[in-house]
Formats: sequence, C-alpha cells, structure tokens
Amino acid sequence: KAGVTQTPRYLIKTRGQQVTLSCSPISGHRSVSWYQQTPGQGLQFLFEYFSETQRNKGNFPGRFSGRQFSNSRSEMNVSTLELGDSALYLCASSLSPGGLVETQYFGPGTRLLVL
Amino acid sequence: AQKITQTQPGMFVQEKEAVTLDCTYDTSDPSYGLFWYKQPSSGEMIFLIYQGSYDQQNATEGRYSLNFQKARKSANLVISASQLGDSAMYFCAMREASNDYKLSFGAGTTVTVRA
Repeated sequence: KAGVTQTPRYLIKTRGQQVTLSCSPISGHRSVSWYQQTPGQGLQFLFEYFSETQRNKGNFPGRFSGRQFSNSRSEMNVSTLELGDSALYLCASSLSPGGLVETQYFGPGTRLLVL
Repeated sequence: AQKITQTQPGMFVQEKEAVTLDCTYDTSDPSYGLFWYKQPSSGEMIFLIYQGSYDQQNATEGRYSLNFQKARKSANLVISASQLGDSAMYFCAMREASNDYKLSFGAGTTVTVRA
C-alpha cells in the first residue's frame, strides 16, 4: 500500500506570495492532519480534515487555510507569505479522526523556504 | 504548559548497545494514548510504537520497547541493539480526549549511533 505522498517536496517563495501544498493520504484513510515543523517552535498542529470538513484547527493566523476533497486528498494554502513561514510542512493521515489509538502516518513533508 | 517533555536534546550511542530516550507527559485525562515517532534527516516521521494508558503491559515492537510508568507519567523508549540506521530524531507524542485527540509532540531527542 502506498504511503502518504506530499507535493512538492521543496519550494522556494518570496515574501508576500502565496503557496499551495498537496497531500494524498494512504488509500482508505479519510482523516488528514497538517503540521508545521520549525527548529524554534518544533512540531505544531495546523488543522485536521475529515470527510471534507475541518474538524480541528491549531493556533495559526487566518493566512493558513486548507481543504479536503471527496477523495480525501488535502491541500493547504498559505497566503501573504512571511519569512517565519519557512518550515517543513508535514501531512499525516489516519483511518478516522479522534480516538486514542488512532495512529497517524506521515508523509515526507514539503520544505518551504521564504526569501 | 508543556504536555510532553523530552529532556535529552541529543545522545550518542555505540552500535549494538541499547539506548533509552526519556519522555514525561502531563495530562489529567484518565485515558490517553502515547506514541513514539522517528524522524530521519529526510524529514518523514515514522511511527514506531504505541502505548495506551490502560494497557497492562509495556508495548514492544521488534527492537523498540516502551517503559511505561503511569504513576510517574513517563513513557521512555528503549531501542535495543542500536544500528547505524537508528540515527535520527525521536519524538514522543500524546493524544487525549480533552485536547480533542490532537497529537501533542515533545521537542525531540537526536540520537547518533557510532560505529
């Protein structure tokens, strides 16, 4: 079974631009979560989608948004990029949201550099 | 307050030796789930092992075992017979109902295995 895939793997943008990242979950998984990883802040939860609905959101400004499609693929968008948005963006999928035992499986991440 | 604390920023271990990575957590939920992930330099987070708060026995998965001490709120990961490929960052994470089952991660521990 194919794992979680993320595209693109690397991205360089300039301040003020916007960016869209894509995530395809493991086949059969309907929940997709997004995380931002930086050396200073570590791993921070962005949002979670299930059945095309945002189920949870972390403490990020409205410039960060996402969506999920009927095939469970998800995209996240960052508008008006700032230097501090440079990070590794990780997507994770699971069969369903919630539950203590539900394991999230991560993709390889998208490394975003904002100049 | 930090929910997950990993006090060892970096560790060196000799090949074929065992290494213990510390993790303490903070929750008032009666039930919760604890996870360990490995992140090689490539960036992908790899799920290693899970421990439920009500599990009577410590979890084991191949060379990975979890030393779960509920009263102390600690969930240390033990890697036996270290291999060069074990060199990576290791993250402890927790799911709890009071946090809507979102994964909370620790700061991570970097493990370097020496030949």
